[in-house]
Amino acid sequence: GESVGLHLPTLSVQEGDNSIINCAYSNSASDYFIWYKQESGKGPQFIIDIRSNMDKRQGQRVTVLLNKTVKHLSLQIAATQPGDSAVYFCAERAGNTPLVFGKGTRLSVIA
Amino acid sequence: DGGITQSPKYLFRKEGQNVTLSCEQNLNHDAMYWYRQDPGQGLRLIYYSQIVNDFQKGDIAEGYSVSREKKESFPLTVTSAQKNPTAFYLCASSTSTAQETQYFGPGTRLLVL
Repeated sequence: GESVGLHLPTLSVQEGDNSIINCAYSNSASDYFIWYKQESGKGPQFIIDIRSNMDKRQGQRVTVLLNKTVKHLSLQIAATQPGDSAVYFCAERAGNTPLVFGKGTRLSVIA
Repeated sequence: DGGITQSPKYLFRKEGQNVTLSCEQNLNHDAMYWYRQDPGQGLRLIYYSQIVNDFQKGDIAEGYSVSREKKESFPLTVTSAQKNPTAFYLCASSTSTAQETQYFGPGTRLLVL
């Protein structure tokens, strides 16, 4: 498949370990945040979202943490699997404006 | 089978030619978006439309045009004025309500001959 990001930060983790992907955002007015997963040659796939009135939200094997004080967002993936290998993007939104995307992090799972 | 469809998957453009990328959604979403993705970069907003017959420029609108004549459709034209059109183009849609997710189509890769 084709690469969606040739010079992205890369996180390499052993299969079965937990992964933490971090994201800093800049707009203090942002009130909605999303994590997307993008596999090579495909469109971004929604993973989990969080609103600004929350600090933590859990899904299946994933947790998103929001620290509004330092404008930081993280995605935790439990028991990382080879199928989790992809590029992960955070995105922020203020009100009803379009999402603004971060540059992405490539997650590489070592079997 | 609901979702967002983009066609074609690959598109080739000759120098000086305008090409149009299709985006259709059957999610009954009011808002639609076009993004461009280059290697090593995130998604950059080209145009968006929050309602039929209305659209707004994004961060990199130069060399592109759109129309929104129907709620379901938001075609993007890459004009000859866009000098570096080679990229992966992604269409998305969402409800018009704040704090709601944008869902993406599978993308169209545009290549210049």
